[in-house]
Amino acid sequence: DAGVIQSPRHEVTEMGQEVTLRCKPISGHDYLFWYRQTMMRGLELLIYFNNNVPIDDSGMPEDRFSAKMPNASFSTLKIQPSEPRDSAVYFCASSLLQRNEKLFFGSGTQLSVL
Amino acid sequence: GIQVEQSPPDLILQEGANSTLRCNFSDSVNNLQWFHQNPWGQLINLFYIPSGTKQNGRLSATTVATERYSLLYISSSQTTDSGVYFCAVEQYSGGSNYKLTFGKGTLLTVNP
Repeated sequence: DAGVIQSPRHEVTEMGQEVTLRCKPISGHDYLFWYRQTMMRGLELLIYFNNNVPIDDSGMPEDRFSAKMPNASFSTLKIQPSEPRDSAVYFCASSLLQRNEKLFFGSGTQLSVL
Repeated sequence: GIQVEQSPPDLILQEGANSTLRCNFSDSVNNLQWFHQNPWGQLINLFYIPSGTKQNGRLSATTVATERYSLLYISSSQTTDSGVYFCAVEQYSGGSNYKLTFGKGTLLTVNP
């Protein structure tokens, strides 16, 4: 299996622009998670899906952030409009069962908002 | 919310040395996981260890849930062990949902 695939690896954009991050989970995994990593706040859970349905979005910082999972093999995290404080590494992860032994992470998207 | 504290925040070792990383948490948890983030940013799950002791090669982990801490042991360290080690704890968050909360990590540097 190719693992969790994220794109793009790096994104540089200007303040006010829309940003879309993409994720393909491991085939057969029922859970998909979006995390954000910054120096100040560490790794934070933004939202997670179970069988394509959003379960907990309490970590989404504000209405500028939205996430979708239209099918079992694809998810997007969108920021509109983007702000410099959104600069971070965004990780997607998937697991077979939420309480499974292993959470598999993608390589992350390094987002820089200028 | 639950507090997850890792110590030490930074650790520098010579290759071949042993080390112990600690994770303390402020409330009861359902499970605990250890992750390694390599210098290229990739996060790898090392252990899923709600209680007891597990070993995987030169790494082992022990969780004492009743005392709310976990330890990660690295023996005969190698330069490839460098990176950040995260502890993450899972708590029930309502309905059928469970939330994973990460500590701030321990930055390990192993010098040749």
